[in-house]
Amino acid sequence: NAGVMQNPRHLVRRRGQEARLRCSPMKGHSHVYWYRQLPEEGLKFMVYLQKENIIDESGMPKERFSAEFPKEGPSILRIQQVVRGDSAAYFCASSSSSEGEQFFGPGTRLTVL
Amino acid sequence: GENVEQHPSTLSVQEGDSAVIKCTYSDSASNYFPWYKQELGKRPQLIIDIRSNVGEKKDQRIAVTLNKTAKHFSLHITETQPEDSAVYFCAAITGFQKLVFGTGTRLLVSP
Repeated sequence: NAGVMQNPRHLVRRRGQEARLRCSPMKGHSHVYWYRQLPEEGLKFMVYLQKENIIDESGMPKERFSAEFPKEGPSILRIQQVVRGDSAAYFCASSSSSEGEQFFGPGTRLTVL
Repeated sequence: GENVEQHPSTLSVQEGDSAVIKCTYSDSASNYFPWYKQELGKRPQLIIDIRSNVGEKKDQRIAVTLNKTAKHFSLHITETQPEDSAVYFCAAITGFQKLVFGTGTRLLVSP
């Protein structure tokens, strides 16, 4: 049973480019969460999605950031016009229910030059 | 919203000693409190968790205690080993399963 998958593991972008981060939840999991971790800091919640629905996006910046979890395929976190402050590790987690344990993926480390 | 504070930020112990990390939370509606261990460059891994209807939970060398009245919970690691060295995060869940993390404790276990 494969765990949570994220790709790419490392992503380098220049200022102004777009970054697309993908997350495939564990088999049977329909709840996906995205967290951001700045260097030497804790994880901060960004967005919670269920299949085709955004449940809570209170932690996601209103501009440039968007997330989706389509009926088929992985969840995608999209950052438009990246800036240096977007450099961070982005982790997704999945769970089987709204009260289930969250399992984390290996993260995508985004570096903005 | 929920706010989780964690102390200490760094903790150095000798191998075999015990280590205690403490967290407080603000939202009395929070009902699930996991602890994660994160090694450098790796994903957070759940090591133990506790729900609000339980006061204490133990798993081998690791235990967690919860005081709902005071709104604090603690991680206890006994007989520490060098491989316990990592950053530990407490968290609380409120609302729609949004994990709110503490700021982390860097534990260093010296041989």
